[in-house]
Amino acid sequence: NAGVMQNPRHLVRRRGQEARLRCSPMKGHSHVYWYRQLPEEGLKFMVYLQKENIIDESGMPKERFSAEFPKEGPSILRIQQVVRGDSAAYFCASSPRPGPYNEQFFGPGTRLTVL
Amino acid sequence: AQKITQTQPGMFVQEKEAVTLDCTYDTSDQSYGLFWYKQPSSGEMIFLIYQGSYDEQNATEGRYSLNFQKARKSANLVISASQLGDSAMYFCAMREAEFPNAGGTSYGKLTFGQGTILTVHP
Repeated sequence: NAGVMQNPRHLVRRRGQEARLRCSPMKGHSHVYWYRQLPEEGLKFMVYLQKENIIDESGMPKERFSAEFPKEGPSILRIQQVVRGDSAAYFCASSPRPGPYNEQFFGPGTRLTVL
Repeated sequence: AQKITQTQPGMFVQEKEAVTLDCTYDTSDQSYGLFWYKQPSSGEMIFLIYQGSYDEQNATEGRYSLNFQKARKSANLVISASQLGDSAMYFCAMREAEFPNAGGTSYGKLTFGQGTILTVHP
């Protein structure tokens, strides 16, 4: 049973370009969470999705960021017109069930560098 | 107020010794889960141990144990017999029973502390 997959592992973009980060949850998991880790900091929640639905996007910046989890295919975190402050590690996690007692399984992360 | 507080930015321990990493949390929920993750220099997040708020016994997983003191709202991680490979960043996290809509399904995002860098000396 493969773990959570994220690609690319490293992504370099110039200011103003778009970044697309992909996450394939573990088999059988329909709950996906995105977190961002700025340098020297802990992970911060961004968005929680179930298949075809955004449940909570309270941690997402209001502009330039969007996320989706289509019926088929991976979850996508999209950052438009990237700025240097977007440079961070972006982690995706999946869970079989949403409650507080269930572990979230993390992917290896995508390290975004904005030049 | 911080939901998860890790007061030790860095800790040092001698190989084969035990070490305790501190974590305190703040919640008004009765149902919540506490987690510890390890992040080595390679960057991935590795799940170590979990404690549920209603669990009466402290969780243990191999060399890891969680010293859960509910009244004090602390969930310290104890690593016994430290190994060189334990050198990493350690994060404490909490998952609360949040209900985005009245009567909806609890989902619980993870809230992380700032982390503690553990260095194991030979």
